[in-house]
Amino acid sequence: GAGVSQSPSNKVTEKGKDVELRCDPISGHTALYWYRQSLGQGLEFLIYFQGNSAPDKSGLPSDRFSAERTGGSVSTLTIQRTQQEDSAVYLCASSLGQGNPQGCTFGSGTRLTVV
Amino acid sequence: AQSVAQPEDQVNVAEGNPLTVKCTYSVSGNPYLFWYVQYPNRGLQFLLKYITGDNLVKGSYGFEAEFNKSQTSFHLKKPSALVSDSALYFCAVRDYNQGGKLIFGQGTELSVKP
Repeated sequence: GAGVSQSPSNKVTEKGKDVELRCDPISGHTALYWYRQSLGQGLEFLIYFQGNSAPDKSGLPSDRFSAERTGGSVSTLTIQRTQQEDSAVYLCASSLGQGNPQGCTFGSGTRLTVV
Repeated sequence: AQSVAQPEDQVNVAEGNPLTVKCTYSVSGNPYLFWYVQYPNRGLQFLLKYITGDNLVKGSYGFEAEFNKSQTSFHLKKPSALVSDSALYFCAVRDYNQGGKLIFGQGTELSVKP
């Protein structure tokens, strides 16, 4: 596609429920990154995928967070048993490759609100 | 570890005046530096990057940034600010030792008043 697409754009969920956030990267981009932007805080790296390599999960804040990338394209970030502190904007980005000197292209994000 | 710092949480500028948003970095090896802008309820938009070459980098919307190796800085500048430039600005370094992920500064809120 022309850009990185994320869905839904907004999600309100009850505490304790599971949520799935979707990212559709730019076609041909092999690297995919998830970030979290909490109110009043900066951008926190969560996880990245590069081709068929094992993902770098070092930024995931707890074992309630997981992500997968099917077929080297679409990625899903899953948050289980959501907590209020999970409320944030979740941003996805893609790039041509982890070694490519160009920047990443970001989606518009999913705003998650846990009530 | 690679890091960037934006020392100002907020910058206020009058329309038509020059603006500077500061960024300093700490990296091992050659730095790959970026500026992104975030408008309200929007994702991040790429403004410009420094990979190698000229220290003065020109980017989108009339913005430019100066790479200064001795001061380890990469300040964002614009000669004449517009009200529409009001947004959140992020400096970032791309860490190729960690999968090419972007490491961001904490962001600077730019407010341009008429």
